[in-house]
Amino acid sequence: EVLLVQSGAEVRQPGKSLKISCKASGYSFTNYWIAWVRQMPGKGLEWMGIIDPGDSDTRYSPSFQGQVSISVDKSITTAYLQLNSLKASDTAMYFCARGLVWFGELFSHFDYWGQGTLVTVSA
Amino acid sequence: QSALTQPPSASGSPGQSVSISCTGTSSDVGDYKYVSWYQQHPGKAPKLIIYEVNKRPSGVPDRFSGSKSGNTASLTVSGLQAEDEGDYYCISYAGSNAFGVFGTGTRVTV
Repeated sequence: EVLLVQSGAEVRQPGKSLKISCKASGYSFTNYWIAWVRQMPGKGLEWMGIIDPGDSDTRYSPSFQGQVSISVDKSITTAYLQLNSLKASDTAMYFCARGLVWFGELFSHFDYWGQGTLVTVSA
Repeated sequence: QSALTQPPSASGSPGQSVSISCTGTSSDVGDYKYVSWYQQHPGKAPKLIIYEVNKRPSGVPDRFSGSKSGNTASLTVSGLQAEDEGDYYCISYAGSNAFGVFGTGTRVTV
């Protein structure tokens, strides 16, 4: 069974940093890309970035480039999302998702999702 | 990369059909067959219901269908059921730099 299990809810003060995780199991970790998606309270889904666990090739949405960092640890089949200099506007649910990418370039779809990690930024 | 445009809401009675549009540009929806659709219930993770314009994953009822014409993709839900109520999002591949872009989302009410 394919599972993406994310780390638990977090509360941070403004200006702090945070790294949340997405543990993959039930499939060959390097055969699929992993993406991070943001959903602010009451709003829609936003593509943040996607990483190829095989070679750590990472593509960021222009809206998030330089604001976040995506990484993987193949040895423990886990992907990470690093959020720096947190602001109140970073308060959101963050989802990881498994992506099918053809020929290393053509993104097709997300077939499995994590349960989401709620991040609250508040003084 | 701008979000794809979806209507904010759509509704129908049980048993009826509802269609949701997803309008992009010639750089995303219009140029690729890689449009997918997701259903999200409140407080839950999204669920894949259509991929590559018109393919259904195993386990998704055939009441859900997808199509594309030019820069606009569409999702049709036939024979509406109460459990179809929720938010629906499209995604399109948008080239090797942007990679993917979401639609603005549509709330379906049954």
